[in-house]
Amino acid sequence: QAGLTQPPSVSKGLRQTATLTCTGNSNNVGNQGAAWLQQHQGHPPKLLSYRNNNRPSGISERFSASRSGNTASLTITGLQPEDEADYYCSAWDSSLSAHVFGTGTKVTVL
Amino acid sequence: EVQLVESGGGLVKPGGSLRLSCAASGFTFGSYSVNWVRQAPGKGLEWVSSIRSSSRYTFYADSVKGRFTISRDNAKNSLYLQMNSLRAEDTAVYYCARGPDPDYWGQGTLVTVSS
Repeated sequence: QAGLTQPPSVSKGLRQTATLTCTGNSNNVGNQGAAWLQQHQGHPPKLLSYRNNNRPSGISERFSASRSGNTASLTITGLQPEDEADYYCSAWDSSLSAHVFGTGTKVTVL
Repeated sequence: EVQLVESGGGLVKPGGSLRLSCAASGFTFGSYSVNWVRQAPGKGLEWVSSIRSSSRYTFYADSVKGRFTISRDNAKNSLYLQMNSLRAEDTAVYYCARGPDPDYWGQGTLVTVSS
């Protein structure tokens, strides 16, 4: 099953803004949207945004998600050292009847 | 507090079998779909299987179809993954995760397939 496409890495300075992208197709991202997950080394993933772009309770407002067509985006404003992590998008593919994950983006805060 | 605790991982030889369990607490388990997701060492997340709340519908990644079986016992608040004909490429940390997004994840259990 094909996954969703994410850039391998993004590097930005402290307190800057990073925008991560996730490209799928009309059967997954373009259909029901994409969720976003953050994973620090050695820890399980943590949900940052539901597929409907809402944030779970306790997630900082610095994380905001959006979608345009078959591409989902996660914007992280005011980058902090603790934002250094791997970020994955996630969606259900209605054509494959399968869940698909993005390839992951490693965010580095300079 | 929502908790998902996986168990059952370990070292197994190629061709062997293993059964993973996930104990859920802090929410109405029977109302949610649940998933198994794995992560090979140094690699990204890979969806393995999902099961709907009533067990009526199950879904599998092509890489495990015919070898793995997902099941659940809502009375015991538990999720299972029976893994047969294991291969070296099945080596990974296996997570159970709640819901379609998914929103809560366990800490994972390591499965190592090696002779």
